Amino acid sequence: GAVVSQHPSRVICKSGTSVKIECRSLDFQATTMFWYRQFPKQSLMLMATSNEGSKATYEQGVEKDKFLINHASLTLSTLTVTSAHPEDSSFYICSAREGANYGYTFGSGTRLTVV
Amino acid sequence: DQQVKQNSPSLSVQEGRISILNCDYTNSMFDYFLWYKKYPAEGPTFLISISSIKDKNEDGRFTVFLNKSAKHLSLHIVPSQPGDSAVYFCAASVDFGNEKLTFGTGTRLTIIP
Repeated sequence: GAVVSQHPSRVICKSGTSVKIECRSLDFQATTMFWYRQFPKQSLMLMATSNEGSKATYEQGVEKDKFLINHASLTLSTLTVTSAHPEDSSFYICSAREGANYGYTFGSGTRLTVV
Repeated sequence: DQQVKQNSPSLSVQEGRISILNCDYTNSMFDYFLWYKKYPAEGPTFLISISSIKDKNEDGRFTVFLNKSAKHLSLHIVPSQPGDSAVYFCAASVDFGNEKLTFGTGTRLTIIP
């Protein structure tokens, strides 16, 4: 079945630094990738949708200059949390789908802790 | 505005019995629904889905029921097994081709041996 690899699984960074999270589709080409954030005991909240070769579409309330998304190829999307603050500490999950007639496959998530 | 709601944050069920997880939605435009299972520190895993043209979909031990008039869906797991212990999320989209999934808040299911 479809596999999405997400790295790193855990990262601790200092406040003010930037962190990059990678999301790769291993055995399919993902025309669309999604980035979610989950705070403890809360739902997965969609942050943005990225289509290969075009700018990401951000959900209301998500700062596009803070959460930089790049989808440079059909198998790779990256999320960079810039100038991270402790309130950015969360669980970030990507998902991908091969096309409109395919299901969503999720990565294993990245636990970001900003200290 | 939580468009997809799972009002039970937790549920405990005896092994071998039926687990019933519920989900309500408010957006009448939703017409495709999915259930995901999630373990801590992992991404969600797809379980089962249903289109609004159906009221039931079955896959092995998992059955999803959809009541459009009540804007309610439920996931039945029978018989429940210890490995089913996880957090279950329901999700909805306006149509299968639509990219955006809206998730519920999740229900933690614990199967008691």
